Amino acid sequence: KNQVEQSPQSLIILEGKNCTLQCNYTVSPFSNLRWYKQDTGRGPVSLTIMTFSENTKSNGRYTATLDADTKQSSLHITASQLSDSASYICVVSEKGWGYDYKLSFGAGTTVTVRA
Amino acid sequence: GAGVSQSPRYKVAKRGQDVALRCDPISGHVSLFWYQQALGQGPEFLTYFQNEAQLDKSGLPSDRFFAERPEGSVSTLKIQRTQQEDSAVYLCASSLIGNSDNEQFFGPGTRLTVL
Repeated sequence: KNQVEQSPQSLIILEGKNCTLQCNYTVSPFSNLRWYKQDTGRGPVSLTIMTFSENTKSNGRYTATLDADTKQSSLHITASQLSDSASYICVVSEKGWGYDYKLSFGAGTTVTVRA
Repeated sequence: GAGVSQSPRYKVAKRGQDVALRCDPISGHVSLFWYQQALGQGPEFLTYFQNEAQLDKSGLPSDRFFAERPEGSVSTLKIQRTQQEDSAVYLCASSLIGNSDNEQFFGPGTRLTVL
């Protein structure tokens, strides 16, 4: 049933290193894709949003890519900081009259940055 | 504060008890959403309000779950006769209007534990 799959489930990286998170989706027709960051005990916060025609979007050290043909997205974190430790959730919305408010969430990738 | 607030942040209930979870959306936001987030999973849609109208309650898992937003601002999610499987974080989100172009802003959630 889950239309958004993320990998890896979790990863540990050293401070200052880069990492890339993956998201595959089957949601169709596609409206947009967001990456959210969820700190422990907090609600998710949007990092980037991409529509069908966009294939890359940056927000500081976060860069998201989208391949709408293969239905894949990635989130790249550059020069990681301890504050990047969080769960990163891929969220896809379905295009359609009257119900495009519905979001499909991935299970998230838990990133732990160590000093 | 300008964000979405939820109360209580933590709730422990004995099996069979009724609970009420409150959400204060961002002022002026027309749309309000409730989600259920199980441990290690992404949020799952429960219900959607546009002003005081509950337009979609397809995600409510049983008739023990009831949500209301009588004046189009504050919302309450009520769970009757709680069961252990109801244990989860309940997230509330609001947006200016309901379509996917508008970012949903999430509250910190209420962690419900049913013993």
